[in-house]
Amino acid sequence: KAGVTQTPRYLIKTRGQQVTLSCSPISGHRSVSWYQQTPGQGLQFLFEYFSETQRNKGNFPGRFSGRQFSNSRSEMNVSTLELGDSALYLCASSLAGTVAGELFFGEGSRLTVL
Amino acid sequence: DQQVKQNSPSLSVQEGRISILNCDYTNSMFDYFLWYKKYPAEGPTFLISISSIKDKNEDGRFTVFLNKSAKHLSLHIVPSQPGDSAVYFCAASNYGQNFVFGPGTRLSVLP
Repeated sequence: KAGVTQTPRYLIKTRGQQVTLSCSPISGHRSVSWYQQTPGQGLQFLFEYFSETQRNKGNFPGRFSGRQFSNSRSEMNVSTLELGDSALYLCASSLAGTVAGELFFGEGSRLTVL
Repeated sequence: DQQVKQNSPSLSVQEGRISILNCDYTNSMFDYFLWYKKYPAEGPTFLISISSIKDKNEDGRFTVFLNKSAKHLSLHIVPSQPGDSAVYFCAASNYGQNFVFGPGTRLSVLP
């Protein structure tokens, strides 16, 4: 069964630009979460989508947004990029709604903002 | 306010010895705990988990212990191998939702 797929794997942008990252979850998984990883900061939760609805949101500014489509694929968008947005953005999917659930991560999209 | 804490940013262990990684949490609503392992430039991969109704779960060289009264869990790796060198994240969830991750502990296993 195919894993979580994230595209693009690497991208370089300049300050002020915007970026859209894509995530295809494992087939049958309806929950998709996004995390930001920066050196020394661990995994910071951005938001979670379930059945096309944002169910949870982390403490990130409104420049960070996302959406989920009817096929559970998800996109996240960052507008007006800042240098501090350089990070590895990880998408994870899960079945959700079961106690013994776990997250399955993609390999991430490495964003560099110059 | 960090709900999941890993107070040791790094840990070095000799090959063959035991590695003990610790994690503390504050939210008593968490009912499921997981450990993830992450290599550079890769996504985290699931390692082992434990439900709040248990106090120990073992899988090969990996054992997770949960002390609910202390809101503490630990991951034991024995014997440690150089391939275990990675960043380990502790995570907690409530009924499969609201996964919260700790900041990670970088484990270095020295040959």
